[in-house]
Amino acid sequence: AQSVTQLDSHVSVSEGTPVLLRCNYSSSYSPSLFWYVQHPNKGLQLLLKYTSAATLVKGINGFEAEFKKSETSFHLTKPSAHMSDAAEYFCVVSVWTSYDKVIFGPGTSLSVIP
Amino acid sequence: DGGITQSPKYLFRKEGQNVTLSCEQNLNHDAMYWYRQDPGQGLRLIYYSQIVNDFQKGDIAEGYSVSREKKESFPLTVTSAQKNPTAFYLCASSGELGTSGKSEQFFGPGTRLTVL
Repeated sequence: AQSVTQLDSHVSVSEGTPVLLRCNYSSSYSPSLFWYVQHPNKGLQLLLKYTSAATLVKGINGFEAEFKKSETSFHLTKPSAHMSDAAEYFCVVSVWTSYDKVIFGPGTSLSVIP
Repeated sequence: DGGITQSPKYLFRKEGQNVTLSCEQNLNHDAMYWYRQDPGQGLRLIYYSQIVNDFQKGDIAEGYSVSREKKESFPLTVTSAQKNPTAFYLCASSGELGTSGKSEQFFGPGTRLTVL
């Protein structure tokens, strides 16, 4: 069975400081992992994905994430937060079995303080 | 431009009425999905379809129905049997069969349904 845990429901950072959004997963198979961002009343947009290639994945808007199998983690980071980063972030695990099983984490709300 | 469209953006329904939410994609994707999102919560899967004329129930299918008569279209009907239908509904699609475990989902802009 697969599951996703986002360790913080809400994170608040000051503009210009680093961002860390934590994600741990559980999977019986080799998973693909994704981070999505959702701005208020909008659909989700893909930030980055890991699909068994390089463990350090770079995404859009300066975000990156590192896949650590030993820790079953896929934390999202950004060196310097911008006001426009304020949004909801979802960590997602996907496993191809007999059907496409995609599990969404509960989300982390990021606030950026001027 | 390729993408997913959902209409309408806002929808109001009287209690006891059925309503259909539209989802269209021109990405040539085989798989399509419907999710429900409630305030402060993550996404919950209602239905998904891996191929035309086939669809499967997700985690919260009760009170909903879908059809997949065309590859590009996956409408969702919220029936009067759905006890708490007020929510934000998101449609998504993903790549070809056999690779969809590795391909990301592309999301539409969502439809906000309010039951009066």
